[in-house]
Amino acid sequence: DTAVSQTPKYLVTQMGNDKSIKCEQNLGHDTMYWYKQDSKKFLKIMFSYNNKELIINETVPNRFSPKSPDKAHLNLHINSLELGDSAVYFCASSRTSSGEQFFGPGTRLTVL
Amino acid sequence: KQEVTQIPAALSVPEGENLVLNCSFTDSAIYNLQWFRQDPGKGLTSLLLIQSSQREQTSGRLNASLDKSSGRSTLYIAASQPGDSATYLCAPYSGGYQKVTFGTGTKLQVIP
Repeated sequence: DTAVSQTPKYLVTQMGNDKSIKCEQNLGHDTMYWYKQDSKKFLKIMFSYNNKELIINETVPNRFSPKSPDKAHLNLHINSLELGDSAVYFCASSRTSSGEQFFGPGTRLTVL
Repeated sequence: KQEVTQIPAALSVPEGENLVLNCSFTDSAIYNLQWFRQDPGKGLTSLLLIQSSQREQTSGRLNASLDKSSGRSTLYIAASQPGDSATYLCAPYSGGYQKVTFGTGTKLQVIP
């Protein structure tokens, strides 16, 4: 009965490859997010979806493409991976009315 | 643009001490503010959510205060324990479809 889950937990890949990270929440929330945490541990929002609609897109390279098939899922596809994409990616969800966020365990992406 | 600063960046205290973590934010028009802890290699765990209309919120040994007009929040930890060792992050939320902005965090070490 995990609230926010992400797969995979670890992802190691070569530069230039395409990869996807999946996120699911079972909290009945209407908003989902992707965050990137860099090596300095700074957490920065990338995207936010509300009821499957993109509402926040924070100047992220267009190699990153989020997709929300339904309110409970938000996936992140990354094309042509670069060394600088190495980071921990967190999915989160919230109810718009409260704004209280709940985070997944993170996906550690390493690009070689 | 909301900017969030947390002071100190790191803190090391002996077990049993009471301590205060500080969070400052530049835009006082917030809806609520959330405090999280992050253990090494783990996701973020929500500790407390304090609404803009509240002055304080308590959970066990934790007490968060909010002074919206001056753009400050503090997290008070009573009788610290080694298990409290983690990075603590504050995150003010401006409401609606606005994003949550994270502080840079305070890394706490409680020495047995």
